[in-house]
Amino acid sequence: QVQLVESGGGVVQPGRSLKLSCAASGFTFSNYAMLWVRQAPGKGLEWVTFISYDGTNKYYADSVKGRFIISRDNSKNTLYLQMSTLRAEDTAVYYCVRDRTDAFDLWGQGTVVTVSS
Amino acid sequence: EIVLTQSPATLSLSPGERATLSCRATQSINTYLAWYQQKPGQAPRLLIYDASNRATGIPARFSGSWSGTDFTLTISSLEPEDFAVYYCQQRSDWPLTFGGGTKVEIK
Repeated sequence: QVQLVESGGGVVQPGRSLKLSCAASGFTFSNYAMLWVRQAPGKGLEWVTFISYDGTNKYYADSVKGRFIISRDNSKNTLYLQMSTLRAEDTAVYYCVRDRTDAFDLWGQGTVVTVSS
Repeated sequence: EIVLTQSPATLSLSPGERATLSCRATQSINTYLAWYQQKPGQAPRLLIYDASNRATGIPARFSGSWSGTDFTLTISSLEPEDFAVYYCQQRSDWPLTFGGGTKVEIK
């Protein structure tokens, strides 16, 4: 069925790196732009980063610019988020999201990232 | 950055009542606004896109409207499953932003 499944979350020390993956299935992944959205414990939603359908355009929130890198492999139907120099404030549930251009119409179940010593 | 301010932060209502949620943008965003519903422990779900279009499978009791930079989500008659947190989101300009959310709770 149509779904997004994130993986790669876990507990990591401040300053270290972590790579998230998102496996897409049930739709033509290469036709869609994709995003990562995060939600800190007890807080609201925060857009993190965007990548166009072909990977040529990328945008980042100021809070992660220079530390996070979004990428995709359309041959593997997979989206990635490479997170470096992690901080305590990066602790959140990270959602992989499909961008239909007029709205975020498909969300994964989320993967939890905890940055703590 | 376009800031979206949602009000009220919490809405306490009974099943069957009408819910009116507000989202105000700090500048014009045309109608590039969406609404999402989130229940505890779940991912958000798209309700409304382009200010007033219901997403696939969303009941008709949910409706969206706007006037200038003020957007409204209305739930005409609350069902037990509608008690949740609701977020608005704009895609008019980068960075993409969300409102802070409105929690609709059972009175």
